[in-house]
Amino acid sequence: EAGVTQSPTHLIKTRGQQATLRCSPISGHTSVYWYQQALGLGLQFLLWYDEGEERNRGNFPPRFSGRQFPNYSSELNVNALELEDSALYLCASSFGMLFGDGTRLSIL
Amino acid sequence: GIQVEQSPPDLILQEGANSTLRCNFSDSVNNLQWFHQNPWGQLINLFYIPSGTKQNGRLSATTVATERYSLLYISSSQTTDSGVYFCAVEHWGGGSQGNLIFGKGTKLSVKP
Repeated sequence: EAGVTQSPTHLIKTRGQQATLRCSPISGHTSVYWYQQALGLGLQFLLWYDEGEERNRGNFPPRFSGRQFPNYSSELNVNALELEDSALYLCASSFGMLFGDGTRLSIL
Repeated sequence: GIQVEQSPPDLILQEGANSTLRCNFSDSVNNLQWFHQNPWGQLINLFYIPSGTKQNGRLSATTVATERYSLLYISSSQTTDSGVYFCAVEHWGGGSQGNLIFGKGTKLSVKP
């Protein structure tokens, strides 16, 4: 059984650009959770999608958004990138919180 | 919101030693999990343990929900146990479902 897959592994952007991160949950899992792990800030909840709907979001500005597709994969979009958006972005699958390996986003 | 405090923040062990990591939380929880983040950043789910005791090989965990703490025991530590151990809790009230609150972690270094 394939685990949670995230792409890309690394992403380098400049300030003001947009970034798109992708996540595929474990087959059969309908929920996807996004977390940000920024240096010095720890792991923070970003978004929860289930059955195609946004169920909850953390304390992040609206330029952090996403969606979940009919196959339950998910995208996280970050607009108007700022230096402090540099972080490891982790996606987790359903109730067991099985995490992918993350996307490391670097803002130059 | 719920506060999660982990102790100690750093721990250095000699290979073969045992250790106990602690997680205190400030309110009742519906979900408590322990994770290990290895030096490459991979976050591995160790235990789902909102109450009671579980064991998995050299690792075991106990949560006393009424006293709002959880303990993670590592026995006969190995160098591969190095990394950061996180406790995370979830409280379903007040629109917080789906939001795991992570502690700051315990950084464990196991020396050969």
